[in-house]
Amino acid sequence: EAGVVQSPRYKIIEKKQPVAFWCNPISGHNTLYWYLQNLGQGPELLIRYENEEAVDDSQLPKDRFSAERLKGVDSTLKIQPAELGDSAVYLCASSTLGTDTQYFGPGTRLTVL
Amino acid sequence: QKEVEQNSGPLSVPEGAIASLNCTYSDRGSQSFFWYRQYSGKSPELIMFIYSNGDKEDGRFTAQLNKASQYVSLLIRDSQPSDSATYLCAVNRAGSNTGKLIFGQGTTLQVKP
Repeated sequence: EAGVVQSPRYKIIEKKQPVAFWCNPISGHNTLYWYLQNLGQGPELLIRYENEEAVDDSQLPKDRFSAERLKGVDSTLKIQPAELGDSAVYLCASSTLGTDTQYFGPGTRLTVL
Repeated sequence: QKEVEQNSGPLSVPEGAIASLNCTYSDRGSQSFFWYRQYSGKSPELIMFIYSNGDKEDGRFTAQLNKASQYVSLLIRDSQPSDSATYLCAVNRAGSNTGKLIFGQGTTLQVKP
C-alpha cells in the first residue's frame, strides 16, 4: 500500500513569493491533515479535512495561508506571500474517518530567503 | 504549561539497555495516546498507540499509560543504535472531533554502541 505522497520535497523561495505544496493521502483515507513542524518542535496542526470539508482550520493563518481539497482526495496548501518565518517543514498526514491514527508523508522543507 | 510535555534530552543509553521515554499531558479527558519516531531529516513514523490504562507491548516496545497521573511512557528494550532518533508523544484533545492530536516537542534518544 502506497503511503502519503507529498511534493515538492524541498522548496527555496524569496520572501513575498507564493508557494504551494501538494499532498495525496493513503488510498481510502478520508481525513487529511496539514502540519507545520519547526526545528526541535513537534508538528502543529494547520488544518484538518474530512473529505472535502475543512473541519478544523483554527490554527491556519488565513491572511496568507490557504488550502483546498476539492474532490476529497488530494490537497494543496498555499502560502502567499511567504515570510521569512514560514521556513519550516510542512507535513501532510492522513487517517481513516473517525480514527486518531495518523500516517505522515515525507514532508516539504521550505526555506524562505 | 504545555499541553504535552517531554524532556527534550538527549537521553543517552548504551546498546542493549532499556530506554525509557516519558510524556505528561494536561488535558485529563484525553483518550488516545501515540508514540512516533522521527529520524533526523525524516517525517514522523507511528510506532505505537494506547488507549487504556496499563501496558501495551509490541516487540521491543512497550507503551505504558496512567491516566490518573496523566502520564504515558515508552520503553525500548534491547536498545540498538538504529533506535537513535527523536520520539514524539501525541495526545488527542478531548472534547473535539476525533483526530486533533497535540504533539510534544520530542525526546532525542542516543543509543551508543
